[in-house]
Amino acid sequence: KAGVTQTPRYLIKTRGQQVTLSCSPISGHRSVSWYQQTPGQGLQFLFEYFSETQRNKGNFPGRFSGRQFSNSRSEMNVSTLELGDSALYLCASSSRQGAYGYTFGSGTRLTVV
Amino acid sequence: GENVEQHPSTLSVQEGDSAVIKCTYSDSASNYFPWYKQELGKRPQLIIDIRSNVGEKKDQRIAVTLNKTAKHFSLHITETQPEDSAVYFCAALTGGGADGLTFGKGTHLIIQP
Repeated sequence: KAGVTQTPRYLIKTRGQQVTLSCSPISGHRSVSWYQQTPGQGLQFLFEYFSETQRNKGNFPGRFSGRQFSNSRSEMNVSTLELGDSALYLCASSSRQGAYGYTFGSGTRLTVV
Repeated sequence: GENVEQHPSTLSVQEGDSAVIKCTYSDSASNYFPWYKQELGKRPQLIIDIRSNVGEKKDQRIAVTLNKTAKHFSLHITETQPEDSAVYFCAALTGGGADGLTFGKGTHLIIQP
């Protein structure tokens, strides 16, 4: 079966702009979680969506938001981009709520200039 | 919140030898401990996980041990091969998953031929 698909793979944005990233989970998976990966901070939890509802949220500012659609696809939005938002953004899907048995996507590499 | 410490940050072993990576966690309520392997430029892949009601789990050359009293868990790789070279991350999930997975900073495993 198809894995977790993230688009786009690479993105370059200017400081102050906003960006939307997309994640399509494994078919049948209803949980989608987002993580930010940077060399300095490592992997950090952003939020989790399950059945179109945000279930959990990490310690990130309100500029980071997301949503999930009825087909379980999820989008993440970052407004008013800052240089420090440059990172690899990974989404992970799971068949149940929570972080059990995650399958990660290949990520979107965001560069803010 | 949960805090996960991972050691060592870099580990170099001869091909065929064993490798051990250790992690400690702070929250005694954590109940799920997965390990991920991330090759350069690729997505993290779940290689093994363990729940708090189990002390040890093995899958071919890979094993994980958990000591709840001491709050530490370890990854053991036997008969290492060149394809084991990667960054390995441990993680912990606190009950309810409100904070998502908390990851260690990673161990760069280098297999010397």
